[in-house]
Amino acid sequence: ETGVTQSPTHLIKTRGQQVTLRCSSQSGHNTVSWYQQALGQGPQFIFQYYREEENGRGNFPPRFSGLQFPNYSSELNVNALELDDSALYLCASSFGKETQYFGPGTRLLVL
Amino acid sequence: RKEVEQDPGPFNVPEGATVAFNCTYSNSASQSFFWYRQDCRKEPKLLMSVYSSGNEDGRFTAQLNRASQYISLLIRDSKLSDSATYLCVVRPNAGGTSYGKLTFGQGTILTVHP
Repeated sequence: ETGVTQSPTHLIKTRGQQVTLRCSSQSGHNTVSWYQQALGQGPQFIFQYYREEENGRGNFPPRFSGLQFPNYSSELNVNALELDDSALYLCASSFGKETQYFGPGTRLLVL
Repeated sequence: RKEVEQDPGPFNVPEGATVAFNCTYSNSASQSFFWYRQDCRKEPKLLMSVYSSGNEDGRFTAQLNRASQYISLLIRDSKLSDSATYLCVVRPNAGGTSYGKLTFGQGTILTVHP
């Protein structure tokens, strides 16, 4: 096990709602990256947080936002949910640019 | 054109077979290369890094050709437990604001049967 945990494991929401996903990084890691994985696709980079600051962002709209806390845990917030937001959301923790270790993910279904 | 392209397969091979996966990437400034493995409904896990000189880990051999922007993974003596999706992963040059970003291919599905 990587020591990276995510909650909740599964979530069902309706269009227009807001969701918050949580990630606890592995002990000793100061960087958290978030990815979205649609069915049958590889993970896509959403953004990364390093020492509580956003440190790079992929091609996702502003309604995808995040936070990192002093203990390096992180949240991903998605506003105004759309059907296409249904996916597996993965967080990965690392020490800086070293190897990223993934959590088990949160499966989000938007109806 | 996708940044990282893989043949999605599926590859269906008998135990003991040798199977090869290929991957191409478009960003010539890419610095680091990896193969990740993802079991059904699980998270991706690092299988191995890929170095320019080529590297081997047991039954797995990875190769990188920077001139052709091509990465490969060879699995020898396939086991039932090798059944998974194999993801080709590229990371841009260190530095700047996106060095931590991993870019994944679509993944190649491998099924090893008895």
